[in-house]
Amino acid sequence: GQNIDQPTEMTATEGAIVQINCTYQTSGFNGLFWYQQHAGEAPTFLSYNVLDGLEEKGRFSSFLSRSKGYSYLLLKELQMKDSASYLCAVTDSNYQLIWGAGTKLIIKP
Amino acid sequence: GAVVSQHPSWVICKSGTSVKIECRSLDFQATTMFWYRQFPKQSLMLMATSNEGSKATYEQGVEKDKFLINHASLTLSTLTVTSAHPEDSSFYICSAKTGDYNEQFFGPGTRLTVL
Repeated sequence: GQNIDQPTEMTATEGAIVQINCTYQTSGFNGLFWYQQHAGEAPTFLSYNVLDGLEEKGRFSSFLSRSKGYSYLLLKELQMKDSASYLCAVTDSNYQLIWGAGTKLIIKP
Repeated sequence: GAVVSQHPSWVICKSGTSVKIECRSLDFQATTMFWYRQFPKQSLMLMATSNEGSKATYEQGVEKDKFLINHASLTLSTLTVTSAHPEDSSFYICSAKTGDYNEQFFGPGTRLTVL
């Protein structure tokens, strides 16, 4: 079966760095997405990785290792507004998005 | 660019009535649109995938006669929840993609409450 695993909840301190991990087992791979979703709102796109390595975009970076079926989202200089759920999603061989359950990130002052 | 709108943003209806939710791609042509449902504190659940001009493909466990999807044009898809019941109360989100791009662009969601 297809499976995406990520921690249910994480807590971090304002100004710090946090890494949210995602492991996946899917039938084929055509890219991995990270989305941010604030409570009561739709997801917003953060990053897309299809090749191995690190993609940096401002305070957010995303890493992919296809051989390990592993990705992480790195958030630096955390701000209170970063409190949200972070969803990992993988596009399988049929170009269907398989979603993780999301990681709720709580930022404390 | 790549803006997707949904209407209405929230709706309250009586049990047994039908509700239509619209999803529009405002500045691009959406060859494929997706409808998701999300219950509180849970992840997105794909309900169906629709391609313009063809019948929607429903996920297992989603009643196609209850959740009617129409994708009549490259910029509009509608989801009609027929004979709504309180258990249908949820956050319904559409997304759209175009051509060969993998990224899905999400609408803002519609919160449905069935009394």
